[in-house]
Amino acid sequence: SYDLTQPPSVSVSPGQTATILCSGDVLPKQYVFWYQQKAGQAPILLIYKDDERPSGIPERFSGSTSGTTVALTISGVQAEDEADYYCQSADTSGNVVFGGGTQLTVL
Amino acid sequence: QVQLVQSGAEVRKPGASVKVSCQASGYTFTSQGISWVRQAPGEGFEWVGWISTASGRTDYAPHLQGRVILTTDTSTNTVYLELQSLRSDDTAVYYCARDPFDPGINWFDPWGQGTLVTVSS
Repeated sequence: SYDLTQPPSVSVSPGQTATILCSGDVLPKQYVFWYQQKAGQAPILLIYKDDERPSGIPERFSGSTSGTTVALTISGVQAEDEADYYCQSADTSGNVVFGGGTQLTVL
Repeated sequence: QVQLVQSGAEVRKPGASVKVSCQASGYTFTSQGISWVRQAPGEGFEWVGWISTASGRTDYAPHLQGRVILTTDTSTNTVYLELQSLRSDDTAVYYCARDPFDPGINWFDPWGQGTLVTVSS
C-alpha cells in the first residue's frame, strides 16, 4: 500500500488536458514533487515544491494543491508525454512517501 | 551538466551483500546530498536512504535500517550503497539521485541511470 493515492491510469487524446491527482493526509503539511518515468528510463523531476517547474521542463506541465489532494496538469498533451507519473512527499515523521504511480496513455 | 553515473548490474545469492556506486559530476559534490531509491520490477518507488556528501551524515528508511550502509568519497565524487543480507525481495533497480534535502524534505533531481540488482539462488 502507499501513503499517497493516485489513479492507476489516465487516458487522454492528443491536444487535450490531462489531470493526474494525488491524495494523502500529509499533503497540506508537506511539499509535493512530481516525476515522469518513460518506459525503460530513469525518472525526471517535473514539478518541485508543489508548483515550481525546473528549467527545461515545458510550460504545459503544472502543479497545484487543494487540501489533501494535489494535481499534475498537462495542457495540450503530446504523444511524447505517454509515461508513468509519480507524486512524492514525506510523512509526518519525515520519511519519504511515493504515490503508486499513474500510467498516462495518449490515445 | 549535472550527471550521476552508476555502476553496472549485479547478481547475488540470498544472504550475500552488494555494493553499488554513483559518481557525480557537473556540480559541487558537497553542496547537496545523495539519496538512493529503488524500484522492484513492475512496481513503484521506495526510498532507501540519504547521505550528506559534506558531513557523511546518513538517514535510512526504517525498514532497511541495519542492512543498508551509505558512504561517500569526496576525492572521487562518489557515493556507495551497500545492502547486506540480501533477500529475493531486494531485487530491484537501484537509482541514486541528487537530493538537496531542502527545506527538510527529500526530493530528487537528477537521477542516475539505475543499477539492476538481482537476488537469486
